[in-house]
Amino acid sequence: DVKVTQSSRYLVKRTGEKVFLECVQDMDHENMFWYRQDPGLGLRLIYFSYDVKMKEKGDIPEGYSVSREKKERFSLILESASTNQTSMYLCASNSPLGPQPQHFGDGTRLSIL
Amino acid sequence: ELKVEQNPLFLSMQEGKNYTIYCNYSTTSDRLYWYRQDPGKSLESLFVLLSNGAVKQEGRLMASLDTKARLSTLHITAAVHDLSATYFCAVDRNSGNTPLVFGKGTRLSVIA
Repeated sequence: DVKVTQSSRYLVKRTGEKVFLECVQDMDHENMFWYRQDPGLGLRLIYFSYDVKMKEKGDIPEGYSVSREKKERFSLILESASTNQTSMYLCASNSPLGPQPQHFGDGTRLSIL
Repeated sequence: ELKVEQNPLFLSMQEGKNYTIYCNYSTTSDRLYWYRQDPGKSLESLFVLLSNGAVKQEGRLMASLDTKARLSTLHITAAVHDLSATYFCAVDRNSGNTPLVFGKGTRLSVIA
């Protein structure tokens, strides 16, 4: 089974802090994704990556950046956290070979105070 | 821009009843995915539908795809409490292996 592991289930940070959310997958997937999930808005794509050192903006990249130095790891960075970034963050991965569902991590519930 | 709309967004149904969740999308795509999310948990893949007329079934859930109508349905037969969850449909942005666009989800509650 594919395992996507997010480093924290719950995280509380303060406004203005630099925040790192880590995601690791164990299936050698090229594709990795970061979403945020908010009530009534569903999942919205922040950034994604098709390979090491590659990144593409999603629908809501403002205030975020990402890093992919190794194939298995995809980090989401909040450069200067703000209260409107309080949300559930979900990481996902899949293989580019044929239509494959994305496999999701358990999510990180981030609160910015 | 691809838009994905689900309805209803909230559904309360009695055990033993049947119901259908609808997923409409705005541009051509032949790849549609259904996911389930339990409260406090992550998303679990249910079905992958890849062509017009595709039908997949697992237990009391059956999903179908009509690419000409840009519509997928998730039919629930004889609902049981264990099916209570939020169900999302998601569509590929184009025919390549590109990021998905998700619907807002349908929160299903099955009551006795």
